[in-house]
Amino acid sequence: QVQLQESGPGLVKPSQTLSLTCTVSGGSISSGSYYWSWIRQPAGKGLEWIGRIYTSGSTNYNPSLKSRVTISVDTSKNQFSLKLSSVTAADTAVYYCARDRGYSSSYYYGMDVWGQGTTVTVSS
Amino acid sequence: DIQMTQSPSSVSASVGDRVTITCRASQGISSWLAWYQQKPGKAPKLLIYAASSLQSGVPSRFSGSGSGTDFTLTISSLQPEDFATYYCQQANSPLGFGPGTKVDIK
Repeated sequence: QVQLQESGPGLVKPSQTLSLTCTVSGGSISSGSYYWSWIRQPAGKGLEWIGRIYTSGSTNYNPSLKSRVTISVDTSKNQFSLKLSSVTAADTAVYYCARDRGYSSSYYYGMDVWGQGTTVTVSS
Repeated sequence: DIQMTQSPSSVSASVGDRVTITCRASQGISSWLAWYQQKPGKAPKLLIYAASSLQSGVPSRFSGSGSGTDFTLTISSLQPEDFATYYCQQANSPLGFGPGTKVDIK
């Protein structure tokens, strides 16, 4: 079965770029019609969708973060990545990657596989 | 962007209780809604997709209903492992989650 694992620095300095990678195991990132998403959760708060990349390479981003976010995929490594630039303390959160099964006519199939999450702290 | 609200924000209940959580979208989203359960320190877990379809492996005491703007998650008989926070999520891009409903022990 497909599993996801986030990796990247746990500490990032203010104004720098946060870079995380999600490694997909147990299946090919380019097979099927999936979106590959990033979601974050500040301590004690709710979930915030950051953005996603489709199997075709097309992307959707949260408008509140769009100017700072890039999501890309590396099919040769079976990974997808998140870059968030110009970070501040407000970007401190647990970051999750997830597989989004997408849509079919009037149905949405939800995010069925999640990584365990990785904590990123923005501090000097 | 579509805004999601949930009520109540928290509920105290006992094992065996029936619990109902409501989610409302600021505009119609058809059945583009999912429900997730999250326990402390863990990733969210998909419970319901397409508003009312039970994800494989999820106990049948969980059910979802609704379409358009109003949705409901029901736990028919609360079990000890169900104490958690529940989130609804709409899938009209940009995607968005509700603020969550915490179910704790009475």
